[in-house]
Amino acid sequence: NAGVMQNPRHLVRRRGQEARLRCSPMKGHSHVYWYRQLPEEGLKFMVYLQKENIIDESGMPKERFSAEFPKEGPSILRIQQVVRGDSAAYFCASSPPKSGGSYNEQFFGPGTRLTVL
Amino acid sequence: AQSVSQHNHHVILSEAASLELGCNYSYGGTVNLFWYVQYPGQHLQLLLKYFSGDPLVKGIKGFEAEFIKSKFSFNLRKPSVQWSDTAEYFCAVNAQQGGKLIFGQGTELSVKP
Repeated sequence: NAGVMQNPRHLVRRRGQEARLRCSPMKGHSHVYWYRQLPEEGLKFMVYLQKENIIDESGMPKERFSAEFPKEGPSILRIQQVVRGDSAAYFCASSPPKSGGSYNEQFFGPGTRLTVL
Repeated sequence: AQSVSQHNHHVILSEAASLELGCNYSYGGTVNLFWYVQYPGQHLQLLLKYFSGDPLVKGIKGFEAEFIKSKFSFNLRKPSVQWSDTAEYFCAVNAQQGGKLIFGQGTELSVKP
């Protein structure tokens, strides 16, 4: 059973370009979370999605950032018109459907390291 | 706002030394608590978790953590560290069922052989 997959692992963009980060959750998982780790900081929550729905986007910057998790295919985190401050490691996690209101463990992918020149 | 604080940014120990990494959180309600570990070049992995019940929880590789509700703390311990424990350790809190994790800033542990 493959784990959470993220690609690319490393992404270099120039200021003003777009960055697309992909996350394929573990098989059977319908919940996806995106986190960002800036240099010298811990992971910060960005967005929580289920298939075709955004559940919590309280950590998403108001502009240039968007996320989706379509019915088919991976979840995509999209950053438009990147700036140097977007350079960070972006981690995706997935969890199975909730059952009985219990908390389900989040399994993390290897991350995508975005460098903005 | 909910927050998690890890007291040590970088800890250096010799093999066989005892380890304690501090973690405090700020949230007045029911929480789920976690420690994650990230070995060099690898994914974040769950080390242990606390949901309810016995406040002393045991995880993988000889790690344990104690939840002290009155102190809002969830410190990680290991009686005798090994060189292979060299990694970054993250404390995290989930304050709502099935939702986001709030992470501390991480503690880098270096164990000298």
